Amino acid sequence: SQQGEEDPQALSIQEGENATMNCSYKTSINNLQWYRQNSGRGLVHLILIRSNEREKHSGRLRVTLDTSKKSSSLLITASRAADTASYFCATASNFGNEKLTFGTGTRLTIIP
Amino acid sequence: NAGVTQTPKFRVLKTGQSMTLLCAQDMNHEYMYWYRQDPGMGLRLIHYSVGEGTTAKGEVPDGYNVSRLKKQNFLLGLESAAPSQTSVYFCASSYTGRLDRYEQYFGPGTRLTVT
Repeated sequence: SQQGEEDPQALSIQEGENATMNCSYKTSINNLQWYRQNSGRGLVHLILIRSNEREKHSGRLRVTLDTSKKSSSLLITASRAADTASYFCATASNFGNEKLTFGTGTRLTIIP
Repeated sequence: NAGVTQTPKFRVLKTGQSMTLLCAQDMNHEYMYWYRQDPGMGLRLIHYSVGEGTTAKGEVPDGYNVSRLKKQNFLLGLESAAPSQTSVYFCASSYTGRLDRYEQYFGPGTRLTVT
């Protein structure tokens, strides 16, 4: 069964705007990761946040984690056409954290 | 470095046929994974390996077998393909199983259609 559910399933915004997507999960985690997938390609790791962290930044990306609500959000600021892709959250549990469980993804479209 | 490569990129099989998907990585990673991706389902783990000569079942292992005879290669086999196995298959690798330190690296995928 899927651990993570992303919301929204699809998002379209104008270039330059900020994009926010959310991930909810069901069980306790060791860490949560976000990946990007361009159309027809493999996934690429973006950022990892550990269960004892609340916020993390990487360039134009900001990730938050609320373990009490079992949720995370990914914010992409000043979006660009090249950000058009699907974004997936993935969780590693506290037990056997060698495996990731992926969510269903958010399809982001940046309109030039 | 080529990273993670997958062979073939596309394949069409008839029901009941068999095939092997090959994944290779040149990063000296210990851990390797096979996923399938279906519309609206995200990625689901089929099998994985924590080192040469080892394999373990993931979330959806039925109908698939795997082998890790060499550290750099991870093979996924379908002995008798079924239409339900139509999917895009991704291979991934990571340096260790400590995924709080090391991310997974993905191959480009194999699109398989079973008719």
